[in-house]
Amino acid sequence: GENVEQHPSTLSVQEGDSAVIKCTYSDSASNYFPWYKQELGKGPQLIIDIRSNVGEKKDQRIAVTLNKTAKHFSLHITETQPEDSAVYFCAARRTDSWGKLQFGAGTQVVVTP
Amino acid sequence: EPEVTQTPSHQVTQMGQEVILRCVPISNHLYFYWYRQILGQKVEFLVSFYNNEISEKSEIFDDQFSVERPDGSNFTLKIRSTKLEDSAMYFCASSELAGGPGELFFGEGSRLTVL
Repeated sequence: GENVEQHPSTLSVQEGDSAVIKCTYSDSASNYFPWYKQELGKGPQLIIDIRSNVGEKKDQRIAVTLNKTAKHFSLHITETQPEDSAVYFCAARRTDSWGKLQFGAGTQVVVTP
Repeated sequence: EPEVTQTPSHQVTQMGQEVILRCVPISNHLYFYWYRQILGQKVEFLVSFYNNEISEKSEIFDDQFSVERPDGSNFTLKIRSTKLEDSAMYFCASSELAGGPGELFFGEGSRLTVL
């Protein structure tokens, strides 16, 4: 089955700097890659997603890149702010398994002022 | 903004007891899911549900688990005879389209503690 690895497990950045989180996946049938942000006491919230027919997607300070050949995708947050502090999860989903997201282990991001 | 709501937020139960976790998905959504997260581990898929039947389930979702949509608004997860290892945060999610835009909206979770 699909296995998603996520690195790093924790990331501390100065406010205004960039943060990068990397994930790899194993199943070449995966075609949808969302990123979720989870704040303390809340459920995961989708912040950006990318499909396998696209190499990069950007939404304001957040961008995601996908390398299908290498089976890895990354989340980039620029100009980080204290409110970006949270746990971030990557996930992957197969074409034929619309409800089943396979999650990475999560990255605790701490943005220090 | 519409949201998925879950009750209870925290439940403590004795091993062997039955537990029902409740979810109210977003009103126009047609697809429903349960995930769980054991402390310190990954978020894991349990089951997906559409048109009043299970679409897919993981190997975790064995005979002690069941799901139901008893009325037009609630979606429930029942654990028949809880074990210590069922202690986890259980997340309900819903989505409007299968496959399409594909966004799953998650609730805030129900923390289950089995003693």
